[in-house]
Amino acid sequence: DGGITQSPKYLFRKEGQNVTLSCEQNLNHDAMYWYRQDPGQGLRLIYYSQIVNDFQKGDIAEGYSVSREKKESFPLTVTSAQKNPTAFYLCASSLRLENEQFFGPGTRLTVL
Amino acid sequence: GQQLNQSPQSMFIQEGEDVSMNCTSSSIFNTWLWYKQDPGEGPVLLIALYKAGELTSNGRLTAQFGITRKDSFLNISASIPSDVGIYFCAGQLAGANSKLTFGKGITLSVRP
Repeated sequence: DGGITQSPKYLFRKEGQNVTLSCEQNLNHDAMYWYRQDPGQGLRLIYYSQIVNDFQKGDIAEGYSVSREKKESFPLTVTSAQKNPTAFYLCASSLRLENEQFFGPGTRLTVL
Repeated sequence: GQQLNQSPQSMFIQEGEDVSMNCTSSSIFNTWLWYKQDPGEGPVLLIALYKAGELTSNGRLTAQFGITRKDSFLNISASIPSDVGIYFCAGQLAGANSKLTFGKGITLSVRP
């Protein structure tokens, strides 16, 4: 089955801890993305990557970091510098930057 | 950045009614996409439009790519309770190597 997986579905962390969210795709897509969604809000772009070993900041990159060491994987680290990390995080991928994006099921992060 | 306008933020309809929502911009787009997000899940691509004037159906859903290339609409006919969710439009701006721009979404509620 081809698709995008995110794990875990729910994640709880204490304030001040860094946490890494996983995103894997087996669609052979070049581009991958991370979005943040807050209640009643749209999708806000955190980071995106067009190809392996390259990534660009989105609209709300502060307090987050990413890596793209493999085509299939684009993990997102929420650092302790992120002032309000509790949110629903969505990963997406597309064949190339200008193509339609396909989303994973999301990870709900709660920082206590 | 470029914006896609979706309004109102919320719509409430009776089961069995038709509903239409649109997405507008001041910029020209090469591609228009419509996504639906169920509560707690990632958005799913409903319809993709690639040509000005194109009209495409997917079951009870119909979407059109505006002739001016600055807008698109989505129509849902004979609504049912499972149509509840957030409907996002997205577009790819005219020009090379441009990632998708997303609207803020419309939350649809269907009263039985």
